[in-house]
Amino acid sequence: AQSVTQLGSHVSVSEGALVLLRCNYSSSVPPYLFWYVQYPNQGLQLLLKYTSAATLVKGINGFEAEFKKSETSSHLTKPSAHMSDAAEYFCAVSDASGTSYGKLTFGQGTILTVHP
Amino acid sequence: ETGVTQTPRHLVMGMTNKKSLKCEQHLGHNAMYWYKQSAKKPLELMFVYNFKEQTENNSVPSRFSPECPNSSHLFLHLHTLQPEDSALYLCASSRRQGAQGNTIYFGEGSWLTVV
Repeated sequence: AQSVTQLGSHVSVSEGALVLLRCNYSSSVPPYLFWYVQYPNQGLQLLLKYTSAATLVKGINGFEAEFKKSETSSHLTKPSAHMSDAAEYFCAVSDASGTSYGKLTFGQGTILTVHP
Repeated sequence: ETGVTQTPRHLVMGMTNKKSLKCEQHLGHNAMYWYKQSAKKPLELMFVYNFKEQTENNSVPSRFSPECPNSSHLFLHLHTLQPEDSALYLCASSRRQGAQGNTIYFGEGSWLTVV
């Protein structure tokens, strides 16, 4: 079964600083990978979807994700953090084989705090 | 507006009550999902319906009873819940289950408090 690990349950940055969130997954076959954001008291919103066509994918709100196949990891970045980016970010991976084909497995989430 | 609407957004119920959560999707999707999000726990998949048929029940206690009358509507019937069932319940939909690269779209969630 797929496992997804997000490095760091809490990340804190200053406004204007680089945002870097990390996600590792266990699949040996390159999967589809998703980043979701959850603002306080809201559901999950799709930030971006990676489909292996490129190593860098641009998402909404200035975020982009780099996909590192050799490391089975993804980095979600934003060059300059804004106060409105404070939220919880989830990485999710779609199984690429076996009986769980197409099933999404979520990481435990990373809470991003942005300081003035 | 995500295309997936959940009602009510907040629900407080006693342990002997019967209540229902409702979800409606306007995206033309054929798969619908219930997820549970508790504090300090990963997102838990509860049920999956694909073309109105239940295809996954992730060992959910019988006090949670899903119903999917058509591809656009999904209900979660609640009966004799426990305080530990208090959580955010998220409904989601996608084109269909089991497709590689299947993107799941979530509703705003229903906050449930069991007293």
